[in-house]
Amino acid sequence: EVLLVESGGGLVQPGGSLRLSCAVSGFSFKFYWMSWVRQAPGKGLEWVANIKQDGSEENYVDSVEGRFTISRDNTKGSLYLQMDRLRAEDTAVYYCAREDSFCSGNNCYSRKFFDSWGQGTLVTVSS
Amino acid sequence: DIQLTQSPSSVSASVGDTVTITCRASQGISNWLAWYQQSPGKPPKVLIYDASTLQRGVPSRFSGSGFGTDFTLTISSLQPEDFTTYFCQQSNSFPLTFGQGTKLEIK
Repeated sequence: EVLLVESGGGLVQPGGSLRLSCAVSGFSFKFYWMSWVRQAPGKGLEWVANIKQDGSEENYVDSVEGRFTISRDNTKGSLYLQMDRLRAEDTAVYYCAREDSFCSGNNCYSRKFFDSWGQGTLVTVSS
Repeated sequence: DIQLTQSPSSVSASVGDTVTITCRASQGISNWLAWYQQSPGKPPKVLIYDASTLQRGVPSRFSGSGFGTDFTLTISSLQPEDFTTYFCQQSNSFPLTFGQGTKLEIK
C-alpha cells in the first residue's frame, strides 16, 4: 500500500521558519517526482513545488520562490519542505503528493498529475 | 501562468441524475488535464487524467472529455458519495495550476 505521511506543521509567527517532512512507503520513492500542494482553509488547491527523482531539478510557484526549498533523501524515503520568511498567506494544509509517472527503458518521466496524497499537515502563520 | 476556470462553482442535483462540470483553460493545454474529487477533511483523489483516461479503480460513471482549452467532467447516475467538491488541474506547464473547484450538492 502506498503511504505518504506528513509531519512538522504547527503555529509559527510571521517571518519565522518551519520544516515539513513527508515519509513514504509502499513504493520505490527514487523513481518518482514528488510535489508539495497546499490548501488554505476553505479554499482551493495550490501547487507549491516539485523535485525530480534524483533531486537535480526543482520547480516552484512564484509566491514561494526564494523562501521555500524542496528537498529529498532517497535513502530515507523522505521529502522535505523548508519554509522561511513565512507570511500569513502561507497558512494552509500542506500535502505531500506523488506525481504519476511512466517509464521508458531506464528513464521515468512525470505526467505532472498527482496519483497519491498524504493526509496533510496544517501550517498556521500568525502572531 | 495558465488559469483554469471551472463552472459552475456549485451545482445541485439528485441521486441518479447526470451532472457536467466545465473547466476552461486560459491557453491551449492539449489534453494535459486531470480531475480530482475531494471530500471534506480528506486529500484529493484523482479521477481522470489526460482529459479522458479513467484512473484505475474509479467507477465508470465518471468520464472526461475535451482538448485545447475546454474540458468537461461528467458524472452519470449520481451516488450519495459523489456529492462533494471537484477540481481540475493542468499538467501542461509550470506552475501547475488548479481550477477553483465545483461543489456538488444534493438537491
